[in-house]
Amino acid sequence: AQKITQTQPGMFVQEKEAVTLDCTYDTSDPSYGLFWYKQPSSGEMIFLIYQGSYDQQNATEGRYSLNFQKARKSANLVISASQLGDSAMYFCAMREGLGGTGGFKTIFGAGTRLFVKA
Amino acid sequence: GAGVSQSPSNKVTEKGKDVELRCDPISGHTALYWYRQSLGQGLEFLIYFQGNSAPDKSGLPSDRFSAERTGGSVSTLTIQRTQQEDSAVYLCASSLQPGNTEAFFGQGTRLTVV
Repeated sequence: AQKITQTQPGMFVQEKEAVTLDCTYDTSDPSYGLFWYKQPSSGEMIFLIYQGSYDQQNATEGRYSLNFQKARKSANLVISASQLGDSAMYFCAMREGLGGTGGFKTIFGAGTRLFVKA
Repeated sequence: GAGVSQSPSNKVTEKGKDVELRCDPISGHTALYWYRQSLGQGLEFLIYFQGNSAPDKSGLPSDRFSAERTGGSVSTLTIQRTQQEDSAVYLCASSLQPGNTEAFFGQGTRLTVV
């Protein structure tokens, strides 16, 4: 069963506008972490933001924020004021077993390719 | 080192040969992960190490795949009798500890089986 779902294979956004990349997840583990990574065409994986399942506040890192809706099991990434350099592949990921009993396996979604237009 | 280092960066091998892919994690990072990324796809989890032990090997695709880690540092992913479907980018990542800390990725090894 698909544990991380990213339903948008590709997204376009105008430079300077905000964009939301969707991510839903499925887990029965009460302790888990959610991550977003960026993969530019160079291939490197760049960590963007993290949200723990027990965190009360939505995570923010500069222009990135994570819209965490626990009951709906969604963890959407919001990029504000898009820049041309934001054009890349974006992966949502989940790590289960933070309670100490799991193997800390991290699973990734299929990704969303973001294109920022000038 | 400053970051996660993987070698070789590119490897072309003939079908049926064995290959070894190396990962040198960030110094002091206890957790190490191997992933596989096929062209245009997401990341597929292969194996995770905590120190030298591998609590989770569930992602290894077949018994042709094995991995080890020595001294709590360098890890080697070995693929025996390579097949064309093994062609992919193999990514290694390390984190200070397992759990909620971010993982830092290497640049990957692009494996092509011809």
